[in-house]
Parts: sequence; C-alpha cells; structure tokens
Amino acid sequence: AQSVAQPEDQVNVAEGNPLTVKCTYSVSGNPYLFWYVQYPNRGLQFLLKYITGDNLVKGSYGFEAEFNKSQTSFHLKKPSALVSDSALYFCAVKSAGNMLTFGGGTRLMVKP
Amino acid sequence: DVKVTQSSRYLVKRTGEKVFLECVQDMDHENMFWYRQDPGLGLRLIYFSYDVKMKEKGDIPEGYSVSREKKERFSLILESASTNQTSMYLCASSSYRDSYEQYFGPGTRLTVT
Repeated sequence: AQSVAQPEDQVNVAEGNPLTVKCTYSVSGNPYLFWYVQYPNRGLQFLLKYITGDNLVKGSYGFEAEFNKSQTSFHLKKPSALVSDSALYFCAVKSAGNMLTFGGGTRLMVKP
Repeated sequence: DVKVTQSSRYLVKRTGEKVFLECVQDMDHENMFWYRQDPGLGLRLIYFSYDVKMKEKGDIPEGYSVSREKKERFSLILESASTNQTSMYLCASSSYRDSYEQYFGPGTRLTVT
C-alpha cells in the first residue's frame, strides 16, 4: 500500500537561511508526488508536483523539491526562508484509484 | 481561475441537528473528496466520489453521508451532529487531466455544541 512519511512534526529556521522539509514515500510503480501548503484557517494550496522528467521540480513562492528514487524521498527546499513561509506543509503521493495519500504534515516556523 | 467553493467558512450547530456542507467546483473534475482535519491527526478521508451518483467510503465514514447529484456539487451530510464532529472540513476535487492534483476549497470550521 502507498504511504507517505514526514518525519518532522516541526522545522525551525531563521529568516534568510535555507530550509528543508522532509518527505519519504512508499509506492508501487512510478510515483506521482505533491507538496501542499496550508495557512491558518485555510484550505490546502498546491505548491508543486513530480510526475516524470527532471528530478528537480520548481514550484510556487520560490519552493523546489528534489525527487530521489533510490532514497524514495521528495524533500521540499527553499534557498532563503521568509517569515511568511511559516505554515503547515503536506507531502502527498497518488495512491489507489484516483486518491492521494497525505503525510501527517510538518509545521514550518521561520523566525526573524 | 480555478475554484472550489464551500458553502460556509464557519458554522455552529447544536447536537442532534442535521448538517449539510456543500462543495462546488467549476473545473469539470470527475473526482471529489471530503476530508476532516484535526490537530495531530492530519487529513482523514471521509468519502469520495468518482462520478455523479457514485460514492465510496473513505477512512472515517461513520456518522456521515454524501450526495452527488450533479458533477460539480458534492454534499456532506451529518445526519445527527455530535460534539466529536467538531472539526475543520475540507472539500477537494481532481481530474486525470491534471495528474490527479487535488484542488481544495477554503474549508468549513464546524463547531457542534
């Protein structure tokens, strides 16, 4: 069965420093992978996805993610964090049928 | 601009009331989903639908039902609301045309007193 793990409940980073939010997955076949962001009292917003092609995927708001097949990882990265990046981040993988399986979420805190 | 809308942002209901949460998408998506989100529990799938008049149970369907009479509309029904159904409810839609990327509505924060 497909699964997604986000091993960190919270990531703390100083503004201007690079950030990484980790995601590992387990899926049979080629994965469809997604990152979403959620601000307080809002729905999830799409950031980026990997379907096929280049392992480095660029998305919204300066975020990017690197697909690593050998390590079954899809970590979210940004070269320079902003305070406004503070939010809840979800990794997801396409699972059976037409569904997505979501990780438990990682809270990113960017401190000035 | 693509849109998934939900009928209410905030809702307060009393125990035992019948509650309807409406979700509408304008993208001609075939798939629609209802999730609930609680602190520490992530997103949990309640029901989903692949087509009009079609529904499938998700991980936590107990106490809920759904209706999809038109392609663009997916309703979540709490037959008799209970306090343990106080939560944030998120609707989403997707299509094979977008590689199953899910588009989410703004959410409904339901409080049952």
